Amino acid sequence: DAGITQSPRHKVTETGTPVTLRCHQTENHRYMYWYRQDPGHGLRLIHYSYGVKDTDKGEVSDGYSVSRSKTEDFLLTLESATSSQTSVYFCAIRDRKSYEQYFGPGTRLTVT
Amino acid sequence: SQQGEEDPQALSIQEGENATMNCSYKTSINNLQWYRQNSGRGLVHLILIRSNEREKHSGRLRVTLDTSKKSSSLLITASRAADTASYFCATDASYSGAGSYQLTFGKGTKLSVIP
Repeated sequence: DAGITQSPRHKVTETGTPVTLRCHQTENHRYMYWYRQDPGHGLRLIHYSYGVKDTDKGEVSDGYSVSRSKTEDFLLTLESATSSQTSVYFCAIRDRKSYEQYFGPGTRLTVT
Repeated sequence: SQQGEEDPQALSIQEGENATMNCSYKTSINNLQWYRQNSGRGLVHLILIRSNEREKHSGRLRVTLDTSKKSSSLLITASRAADTASYFCATDASYSGAGSYQLTFGKGTKLSVIP
């Protein structure tokens, strides 16, 4: 599992509330990613990070922000959750030697 | 935008048979990766094939890559009921020293292996 954990694993929240999802890795990987998975869409990139304080947008970044103050933690924030952000969120890292990307267990978020 | 497109969308076979899934993509790539996802679970990395490779094996898995046709295939031999899952291809179009190395996923092939 490449030492990736995500928290929380499940969350139900109300429309308009802020939500922060955490991704934690223990193997000092430089690149980290946040994806969302929705039926009929596969996985889509939200944001990624290429180092501490270095982040950039992905395909579906509207409504999301990220922060990376430490190598091991990559946070995804929904400033004001909407029902369209109900999804399963996956964090991933890129192995610097093999180029393989490994995924965390996912967070199932429901916005009511 | 979807880079990889898997075909078929769904596949049902008997245990012991071989399963072949195909992936087509649109742009030049650095590498292509295959993943398995059991229902309601996370993604398990299966195999990575680089753009300069044509074939790769891992256990019962065989992956081929044809860059001239922009396509890849995943073959699972002697399938088992435990192989029942969705399979995704993902392309990395970045090049060393540049880009995000992000993966662009297809929508997956849902494989059912009947005991």
